[in-house]
Amino acid sequence: SQQGEEDPQALSIQEGENATMNCSYKTSINNLQWYRQNSGRGLVHLILIRSNEREKHSGRLRVTLDTSKKSSSLLITASRAADTASYFCATLSPSGTYKYIFGTGTRLKVLA
Amino acid sequence: DAGVIQSPRHEVTEMGQEVTLRCKPISGHDYLFWYRQTMMRGLELLIYFNNNVPIDDSGMPEDRFSAKMPNASFSTLKIQPSEPRDSAVYFCASGQTPNEKLFFGSGTQLSVL
Repeated sequence: SQQGEEDPQALSIQEGENATMNCSYKTSINNLQWYRQNSGRGLVHLILIRSNEREKHSGRLRVTLDTSKKSSSLLITASRAADTASYFCATLSPSGTYKYIFGTGTRLKVLA
Repeated sequence: DAGVIQSPRHEVTEMGQEVTLRCKPISGHDYLFWYRQTMMRGLELLIYFNNNVPIDDSGMPEDRFSAKMPNASFSTLKIQPSEPRDSAVYFCASGQTPNEKLFFGSGTQLSVL
């Protein structure tokens, strides 16, 4: 079963606006990662946040993690048309097996 | 490095035929993962290897699916016999350590008619 659920399923914004996507998961985690997938391509890693971290930045990306609520958010600031893609969260449980479980994804469309 | 290389990019076959998907991971990566992506089920982990050894194949849907990693630079995912419900995009990913980022190939779009 899916570990992560992204919200919203789809998001459409104007270029220059900020985009926020949320991810909820069910069990304890070792780390949580965000990936981007352009249409017809493989996934590309964006950012990793560990269970003992609360916030992380990378360029225009900001990720937060709330382990008490089992949720994470990805903020893309000053969005560009090139940010149009699907965004997935992936969690790694501390169970000893290294099974990354991906969420259902948020389809982001940035209008020029 | 050329990244994770998958072949073929597209495969169209008829029900009942054998299908073999191939993957070359990034050199030096000890972990290799096979995922399947469909609209209905999203990204599903099928199997992963560590140092060429299958560690967890609990996601392999049926005995029709098998995966091998004969050496550190090559892995195959085989479906025999194929069925229309196997139609999906199959991704291979590799990683250097288990709790760091994964690098994905471009995927194989499989259509079983």
